[in-house]
Amino acid sequence: GAVVSQHPSRVICKSGTSVKIECRSLDFQATTMFWYRQFPKQSLMLMATSNEGSKATYEQGVEKDKFLINHASLTLSTLTVTSAHPEDSSFYICSAIPGTGADYVGYTFGSGTRLTVV
Amino acid sequence: AQSVTQLDSQVPVFEEAPVELRCNYSSSVSVYLFWYVQYPNQGLQLLLKYLSGSTLVESINGFEAEFNKSQTSFHLRKPSVHISDTAEYFCAVRRIGNEKLTFGTGTRLTIIP
Repeated sequence: GAVVSQHPSRVICKSGTSVKIECRSLDFQATTMFWYRQFPKQSLMLMATSNEGSKATYEQGVEKDKFLINHASLTLSTLTVTSAHPEDSSFYICSAIPGTGADYVGYTFGSGTRLTVV
Repeated sequence: AQSVTQLDSQVPVFEEAPVELRCNYSSSVSVYLFWYVQYPNQGLQLLLKYLSGSTLVESINGFEAEFNKSQTSFHLRKPSVHISDTAEYFCAVRRIGNEKLTFGTGTRLTIIP
């Protein structure tokens, strides 16, 4: 089945530094990937939609300059949290869909990255 | 735009008892419906989905959900729960022809031995 690998699973960084999170589709090509943020005991909030070879589409209220998304290949999307602050601490999850996207009904999720900014 | 409501944030259930996790949605167009399960510090795993056809869908681990169009519901049920079912359960909808998933706020299922 479709597998999405997300790395790292946990990261602790100092305030003001940048952190990169990788999301890889291991056995399929992902034209579209999604990045979510999940606060403790809350639901997943879509941050942005990442399309291979083009700029990401950010949801309202998400700072594109703070959360840089790059989808340079059909198997890799990265989320970089720039100049991280404690309020950026959260659980970040990616998901991917193969093919053309709109016709595909299932999504595969990564295992998530717990970011702690100290 | 579509939305999903999971009214129960927490559901404690005794082991081997039945459980129902409620999910209601609203959408002006047809949607696909999903239930995902999340174990602590992990991503989401697809539990089951409704696309079309039979309104009752089943998963391999004993869960089932029934799509009720008139009540715009997609409740998740299991006749006898196990300790290993302890997790967070998310209902989600996706508008047909649109890529985005909209999630409910989740229900934490706790199994009491």
